[in-house]
Amino acid sequence: QKEVEQNSGPLSVPEGAIASLNCTYSDRGSQSFFWYRQYSGKSPELIMSIYSNGDKEDGRFTAQLNKASQYVSLLIRDSQPSDSATYLCAVGASGGSYIPTFGRGTSLIVHP
Amino acid sequence: DTGVSQDPRHKITKRGQNVTFRCDPISEHNRLYWYRQTLGQGPEFLTYFQNEAQLEKSRLLSDRFSAERPKGSFSTLEIQRTEQGDSAMYLCASSSHPGTEAFFGQGTRLTVV
Repeated sequence: QKEVEQNSGPLSVPEGAIASLNCTYSDRGSQSFFWYRQYSGKSPELIMSIYSNGDKEDGRFTAQLNKASQYVSLLIRDSQPSDSATYLCAVGASGGSYIPTFGRGTSLIVHP
Repeated sequence: DTGVSQDPRHKITKRGQNVTFRCDPISEHNRLYWYRQTLGQGPEFLTYFQNEAQLEKSRLLSDRFSAERPKGSFSTLEIQRTEQGDSAMYLCASSSHPGTEAFFGQGTRLTVV
C-alpha cells in the first residue's frame, strides 16, 4: 500500500508569516510530486509540481523535494487570509502507472 | 482551453437507484482519472484511462461501479444500486502525459438518501 502522510492540522499562522507544510511518502521509486490547494466544498487546484531534488519557486510558493528522505514540503511566504485552505500533497506512483496518490491534506488557517 | 468539465455538479438519488456521471477532459489530454473524496479525506483513486483503455481499477472499486471512455474522449462513471456509503464528491482529472500535472474538474457531489 503506497502511502502519503500529512499532518491534518490545522496549522495556524499570522498574516505575513511563512507557512510550512510537510509530506512524507512510502513509494521510494516515485518521480513526480504535486501540491494542490482545496477550498471547502471545491475541487483541488494545482499549485506546483516538482520532479527533481531541491527547491522550486513560483511566486510566494516554494516546493522542496528530498527523495532520499522521501520528503516533500511547501513553503508559502507572506501568507494571506485567502491562503486559508486545505493543502493536498500528491505523489505519482512508480512502476509505470504514475497514478497520483493523495495525502489527507493539511488545513491551513491564516489569521489577520 | 475550457478545463475539465463534470456533469452534473450535484446529484441526489434514492438508495438502490443507478447514477451516471460524465467527465470531459482537457482537449488532447490522454490520461483521465476518477477519484472519490469524502469529508476530511484526500481524493481516493478509483480508476484511470490512457486514451480509451482502462488500465487500472482500485481494489476499493466494487462491481457496482463501472467506467468507460469511448474513443478516448469523455468518460462516464456509473454506480449501480447506490448505497448511502456511496455519498461523496466524485472527481475527474486529466493530464497530458503520464506523470505530469493532473487538473481536476469541479466534481460531482453525490448524496444517496
